[in-house]
Amino acid sequence: QLQLQESGPGLVKPSETLSLTCTVSGGSISSSSYYWGWIRQPPGKGLEWIGSIYYSGSTYYNPSLKSRVTISVDTSKNQFSLKLSSVTAADTAVYYCARHVAAAGRGDWFDPWGQGTLVTVSS
Amino acid sequence: QSVLTQPPSASGTPGQRVTISCSGSSSNIGSNTVNWYQQLPGTAPKLLIYSNNQRPSGVPDRFSGSKSGTSASLAISGLQSEDEADYYCAAWDDSLNGRYVFGTGTKVTVL
Repeated sequence: QLQLQESGPGLVKPSETLSLTCTVSGGSISSSSYYWGWIRQPPGKGLEWIGSIYYSGSTYYNPSLKSRVTISVDTSKNQFSLKLSSVTAADTAVYYCARHVAAAGRGDWFDPWGQGTLVTVSS
Repeated sequence: QSVLTQPPSASGTPGQRVTISCSGSSSNIGSNTVNWYQQLPGTAPKLLIYSNNQRPSGVPDRFSGSKSGTSASLAISGLQSEDEADYYCAAWDDSLNGRYVFGTGTKVTVL
């Protein structure tokens, strides 16, 4: 059964770079059928897609965050990572990683999700 | 700000049928499929419906999805106490070079 687990610092200072890693187990990140994505949820608020990556390294990002986001993949470790630069308090959120299914003719969805990790931006 | 609009809350008694609406536009629901996610308190979202009306393995058939034009709906029939959760619709949006967008979310309360 595929599982995803986020890891990284829970506290980041304003103006610094947030870095998180998602480790995939129970399946290969190099599967040609899937992308891998990041989604976040500020406390008490809704969900926001950050971006997704293919095992080849091809990426696409939410235009609202594109200037600050970098997503990368390490197939040898079965991991993918998120970097968000110049963070502010508005970036405080639970960050989730998830498998991104992009099925031609049937659409895009995220399944399964990691348990999420809370990142607080504060000095 | 979400581009898919949902009612903030919905409620029902056990056994009742509850419906949640999701309103979008021609660039998202109008031209792409809709998904629904269930988020139980304190947990990660879980895929509930994909491709408008398909249930992943393990999701009870009490949950059903539909789409018409630029709107979609999630129906929960035979409401149970364990269905108390936040529900989000989502779809790909073709504007701004493409992005995946979520609805504003609906809190379902079982009375």
